[in-house]
Formats: sequence, structure tokens, C-alpha cells
Amino acid sequence: DQQVKQNSPSLSVQEGRISILNCDYTNSMFDYFLWYKKYPAEGPTFLISISSIKDKNEDGRFTVFLNKSAKHLSLHIVPSQPGDSAVYFCAASADGWGKLQFGAGTQVVVTP
Amino acid sequence: DVKVTQSSRYLVKRTGEKVFLECVQDMDHENMFWYRQDPGLGLRLIYFSYDVKMKEKGDIPEGYSVSREKKERFSLILESASTNQTSMYLCASSLGSGSATDTQYFGPGTRLTVL
Repeated sequence: DQQVKQNSPSLSVQEGRISILNCDYTNSMFDYFLWYKKYPAEGPTFLISISSIKDKNEDGRFTVFLNKSAKHLSLHIVPSQPGDSAVYFCAASADGWGKLQFGAGTQVVVTP
Repeated sequence: DVKVTQSSRYLVKRTGEKVFLECVQDMDHENMFWYRQDPGLGLRLIYFSYDVKMKEKGDIPEGYSVSREKKERFSLILESASTNQTSMYLCASSLGSGSATDTQYFGPGTRLTVL
């Protein structure tokens, strides 16, 4: 049973607009959340993370929001650029080994 | 720059064959991981290792084994390949500081097809 869920398999957004990717989780023991980005024929690369003690973390055009009571996090990309077209995975961790539970991914397509 | 390399990008094997997938990292990382990626399921952890000769089962270890004889190398073994093991296999490594904030660095993946 998947503990991390990304219910939108795909998202299309115009260049310059905001992309919002959503992620829900069921395990209340998760205390660290990450987003990875994956281009075709490459491995995932780390994008941004957030600890459970925070509700927001920002890095340039990327912001992650965490709502612990709703067990929900989201990734905002503003403004979206064509190079952002990729699959985005949400991941969560509940232990010090860094074992991650991943969502199914959301394919983002940024159109000119 | 962390580099994680995997021995093959594409592999085609027959049912019942023994398959070895190799992964090497060059950053002296303690932790190494094997995942498989399937459509609609994301990445699922097969095995991980936190030290040489040490291994722990992940979420889907059935049908797989691993070997870590040297710190930089982590091998995934399919003892008798089956068609349901057709997948993209991804190796990752992380520093192993004992913190959940360790970033995992991934290799490019091996696309395995079992006929």
C-alpha cells in the first residue's frame, strides 16, 4: 500500500505561469519530505526538501509547503520554464537511514 | 560532483537467467540503495546497505539479493529472472551521516527486460 501518493499523473502549464504539484501521505511518522526531478534517460536529482518542523521552504523558483494536519505537501514552481518539463517525485522519510518512500510521480509539461 | 554509475543502460535477459546489476559511486558514501521504478508505482526500495557487507531489506526484496564487498560497489542480483522483474532499476548513494537529511544521488538507471 503506497504511503505517499501523487494523484495527478500529469500537469500541463504555460511558460511563465505557476506549476503546483500535490502530494499526500498516510504515515504520520514521516518527518522529512523531498522532491526529486527526473529527466528521461537520467536518474532522479534532488530538488528541494522540508523538515516536519517547518511549513514552508523556498529555493529560488521552487517552494515546498507542508500541511502536517492534512498530511499534504505541495511544490510550487514560479515562473515555470520549458526546462522544468520533467517527472517530479515526492518522497518521504521516517528514519535516520534516509530510506525513502516515493510517490508515483507527476509528469510536468511546460508549453511555450 | 557525486557520480553514481551503473554498468548497463539496457539489458535483455531470458526467464530463469541469473542477472547481475552493478553500481559504483565515487564519493566514499556509506549508504547505497537499489530501487525499481514502474509506471504508476514510482520508485520502490529493494535493498539498501549502510556499510560494507551489511544489507537491509527494503519494501520489495523478494526475488532479489545484493552484495557489497567494497564500499564503492553495490550489486543487485536476480537469482532467477522472471518477466515481472522487467523494470527500470536505479541505484543511489548517500553520505550516511545518520541524518534523514542526507541527499540520495542516483545513477542513470538500467532498463532490464526479461523475456
